[in-house]
Amino acid sequence: GQQVMQIPQYQHVQEGEDFTTYCNSSTTLSNIQWYKQRPGGHPVFLIQLVKSGEVKKQKRLTFQFGEAKKNSSLHITATQTTDVGTYFCAGDFGNEKLTFGTGTRLTIIP
Amino acid sequence: DTAVSQTPKYLVTQMGNDKSIKCEQNLGHDTMYWYKQDSKKFLKIMFSYNNKELIINETVPNRFSPKSPDKAHLNLHINSLELGDSAVYFCASSVGTSRGYEQYFGPGTRLTVT
Repeated sequence: GQQVMQIPQYQHVQEGEDFTTYCNSSTTLSNIQWYKQRPGGHPVFLIQLVKSGEVKKQKRLTFQFGEAKKNSSLHITATQTTDVGTYFCAGDFGNEKLTFGTGTRLTIIP
Repeated sequence: DTAVSQTPKYLVTQMGNDKSIKCEQNLGHDTMYWYKQDSKKFLKIMFSYNNKELIINETVPNRFSPKSPDKAHLNLHINSLELGDSAVYFCASSVGTSRGYEQYFGPGTRLTVT
């Protein structure tokens, strides 16, 4: 079946360090979305990537979509305590639903 | 104004009971979803409705029955609750089912079955 895997599952970083989470799909995606879920909260949409090789930035966050549209990454520069949470990628295989990745839980050591 | 709301926020019940969770969105979206998030944070889609019609029905036990009285509401009824049903259930909505629409999630309902 169509699956979306994310690594790492957990990441602990010192405040100020960079953080990256990677997302891999078994098959080509139509597009990919990223969501953030704060502890005790609900997933909140961050961004969508559609084009092969696309790169988008939101302040300290950089999102990339692979050339083959089968992988994606989210990089956070100089993490802050407000970055704590679980980051999910969600792949669209063109089947009217999003398939969420397994998530990467980020904790920040002050 | 809350875009996607769910009631109740917490639900504690015993095995074998029947319970319902309600969801409402005021975004004017056509599509609504139910997701289940387990203790490991895995987020799995259960159902989706588009304009009150069932579009997606993942491999979910028949004890779970969604109902959409209108496109702004999507409820979830669960019969004969089991321990494994304990999870956080999220409702979400989007403009449509076509590719590229972001989803707006409700605050979640934490269900605990004892």
